[in-house]
Amino acid sequence: GAVVSQHPSRVICKSGTSVKIECRSLDFQATTMFWYRQFPKQSLMLMATSNEGSKATYEQGVEKDKFLINHASLTLSTLTVTSAHPEDSSFYICSASLSYEQYFGPGTRLTVT
Amino acid sequence: SQQGEEDPQALSIQEGENATMNCSYKTSINNLQWYRQNSGRGLVHLILIRSNEREKHSGRLRVTLDTSKKSSSLLITASRAADTASYFCATDNRGAQKLVFGQGTRLTINP
Repeated sequence: GAVVSQHPSRVICKSGTSVKIECRSLDFQATTMFWYRQFPKQSLMLMATSNEGSKATYEQGVEKDKFLINHASLTLSTLTVTSAHPEDSSFYICSASLSYEQYFGPGTRLTVT
Repeated sequence: SQQGEEDPQALSIQEGENATMNCSYKTSINNLQWYRQNSGRGLVHLILIRSNEREKHSGRLRVTLDTSKKSSSLLITASRAADTASYFCATDNRGAQKLVFGQGTRLTINP
């Protein structure tokens, strides 16, 4: 149980385009989901906390207009990277909260050319 | 902000040896968790230790927590090549669900 999926696993896009990443909790309902970004050989940095039915809470330094988060249901949160630039290339990981534990998705590798 | 510090940043040992990784944090916590990440993959939850616990075991894993020193250690006994990965500790601030990750230890097990 407690499986989280992400789609796509890899995406390559051109600079200036937008990319949507989906995070789904497959066998449980998650009122809270989290989005992280990880640069090579670095740790995970929390970007935002996504609550079902309400606006996301962004961490300091994360542009909410650039990283749009929607949590429309208890099993789905989406992250849209708008007007992507090469510096947005990173590994994006979501997690879904169940009780005190977070269950992580497999990550999405975004490459912006 | 990242509050966890881990050491060593990288550790390379021979298969069969024990590996110890340490984590320090700054604020009061409800619990501390350890995760493993294989290169380019998601995180795998290893173990959770609550703030009122001092030690916890799971298979070849042993985790200790010293809240007075705000530190934790992860011991992997009888290491295997498959244990090669990055290991992260993560803490939650009291009253907050979000996790703060340490910088991680890259563990390499040499056959």
